[in-house]
Amino acid sequence: GEDVEQSLFLSVREGDSSVINCTYTDSSSTYLYWYKQEPGAGLQLLTYIFSNMDMKQDQRLTVLLNKKDKHLSLRIADTQTGDSAIYFCAESEGGSYIPTFGRGTSLIVHP
Amino acid sequence: DAGVIQSPRHEVTEMGQEVTLRCKPISGHNSLFWYRQTMMRGLELLIYFNNNVPIDDSGMPEDRFSAKMPNASFSTLKIQPSEPRDSAVYFCASSTSGRKGNEQFFGPGTRLTVL
Repeated sequence: GEDVEQSLFLSVREGDSSVINCTYTDSSSTYLYWYKQEPGAGLQLLTYIFSNMDMKQDQRLTVLLNKKDKHLSLRIADTQTGDSAIYFCAESEGGSYIPTFGRGTSLIVHP
Repeated sequence: DAGVIQSPRHEVTEMGQEVTLRCKPISGHNSLFWYRQTMMRGLELLIYFNNNVPIDDSGMPEDRFSAKMPNASFSTLKIQPSEPRDSAVYFCASSTSGRKGNEQFFGPGTRLTVL
């Protein structure tokens, strides 16, 4: 079945860039997502990318997709303490509305 | 829009008691999902509905778990009898197919503690 893998923790200093990585196995993935979960809250979509794109930028966020290696990354520039959260990678096929989520990466931003 | 509404936000109960979690999806969304989140297993999809019909309940852990969606604006997840290992955060999410890559909108979750 489909599998989405990501590291569990990442610690960065405030002001540095954060890069959260994800790999997936489903070659028919059409949409790839990054969701953010703040403490005590549900997941919220940060950004998503179509599989026919290799990059998407939105303010401090840059998503890179290497479809050949099935590798997705999220770069957060100038990381702030407010960026501390759990970041989930997810993928879904075009005909499906059911995303497969990774375990989530806890981003810890320290001064 | 109020977003996905879940109640209660916190539930503490004793082993063996019945627990009912409630969800009101975003108006107009035709898909509804129930997830469970724990440290050990991460985010697990329990069941999802499309147009009020259960499509896949293969993620429901045991017969003690049941879910219903009597109409487009309400769903329940029931655990009877509850056990300590059911302690988790339960999320409801809704979506509408074809919009923004099938984005899911999550509720704030219900934190369940079974003593």
